[in-house]
Amino acid sequence: KQEVTQIPAALSVPEGENLVLNCSFTDSAIYNLQWFRQDPGKGLTSLLLIQSSQREQTSGRLNASLDKSSGRSTLYIAASQPGDSATYLCAVWDYGQNFVFGPGTRLSVLP
Amino acid sequence: DAGVIQSPRHEVTEMGQEVTLRCKPISGHDYLFWYRQTMMRGLELLIYFNNNVPIDDSGMPEDRFSAKMPNASFSTLKIQPSEPRDSAVYFCASSPLGIGLGYEETQYFGPGTRLLVL
Repeated sequence: KQEVTQIPAALSVPEGENLVLNCSFTDSAIYNLQWFRQDPGKGLTSLLLIQSSQREQTSGRLNASLDKSSGRSTLYIAASQPGDSATYLCAVWDYGQNFVFGPGTRLSVLP
Repeated sequence: DAGVIQSPRHEVTEMGQEVTLRCKPISGHDYLFWYRQTMMRGLELLIYFNNNVPIDDSGMPEDRFSAKMPNASFSTLKIQPSEPRDSAVYFCASSPLGIGLGYEETQYFGPGTRLLVL
């Protein structure tokens, strides 16, 4: 059974710092891995999608990497801003047709 | 495009009542997903459709839950009878094309319906 974990559970950083969020999954037979952002009271926003054949994806200040063999992904946020404060979730879609989310990392960027 | 639309945004009901949640996916998207989010269990996939056909409903918690997609622009998630433990935020999402086929697979989420069963 696919399990997804995220470290850390919560993170608080001063504005301007670069930071890394980690995601691990137990079954490496995946179609893709997706990073989402969730703001309080709102739906999920998809940030980056990495196909199983890809190693990384970039969008603006965000960069996500995927190491399928080790079951890991990282989301790198450069020059963090207070507007980046949210919960970040990773999710994998595996060959067993399971779409599994991690518990999320709650990020606070302090001005 | 207006994005994925869900209604109602908030629903408060009493135990035993029937609850119907509605979703309008983005036009042209072939996949529609229903999720439930709770503090204890996080975000869980309940069921998803491809071209209006239910593909996998293994995440549906029990027979009290049912989902339909009568056409490409509308889906419902029904709970009958509702129970307090069904209280959660229910999300609908849609995706353009196939899973694992190299096409665009990003899911677009609606704002969610907050359900409270008293």
